[in-house]
Amino acid sequence: AQSVTQPDIHITVSEGASLELRCNYSYGATPYLFWYVQSPGQGLQLLLKYFSGDTLVQGIKGFEAEFKRSQSSFNLRKPSVHWSDAAEYFCASQFGNEKLTFGTGTRLTIIP
Amino acid sequence: DAGVTQSPTHLIKTRGQQVTLRCSPKSGHDTVSWYQQALGQGPQFIFQYYEEEERQRGNFPDRFSGHQFPNYSSELNVNALLLGDSALYLCASSFSISSYNEQFFGPGTRLTVL
Repeated sequence: AQSVTQPDIHITVSEGASLELRCNYSYGATPYLFWYVQSPGQGLQLLLKYFSGDTLVQGIKGFEAEFKRSQSSFNLRKPSVHWSDAAEYFCASQFGNEKLTFGTGTRLTIIP
Repeated sequence: DAGVTQSPTHLIKTRGQQVTLRCSPKSGHDTVSWYQQALGQGPQFIFQYYEEEERQRGNFPDRFSGHQFPNYSSELNVNALLLGDSALYLCASSFSISSYNEQFFGPGTRLTVL
């Protein structure tokens, strides 16, 4: 069965600093991979997705993610965070048309 | 475009009761999926509806059932509520069941079971 691991429950970053959120997946083949963001009182918003091809994926709000098959990872990055980036971030995987499987999330706090 | 809407926003029930949650998909979407998000956890897939039929189901008991209407809106029903059913219930819609099409999530319904 698919599983997604986000090893960091909570990360605190200074505004303007760079950010990397970790995600590892467990599956026999390479699944489709996603990053979502959830702000308080809001639904999940898709930041970016990887299906195949170029391993560096650009998303919305200045985020990018890199797929590394050898490490079974799909880490999310942003060169300079803004206070508005404070939220919960979820990595998710999907194999074919099977169900979307989410990690437990990483809560991002931004300090001025 | 109103996006995905869910009602009610919040709901309080007692153990043993039954609850119905509602979801209206984004305009142009015909597929609805439901997720349960317990506090501090990621969303867990409950089931997916397409063409008014349940197409996929996650690891949830039969107490969880659903329905999709001809206008593509959907309901999630939970019978014999347990304390452990307290969670945020998210609805997501997409165009067709293909995973290539982005799922758009609603803001959720917060269910509290006392």
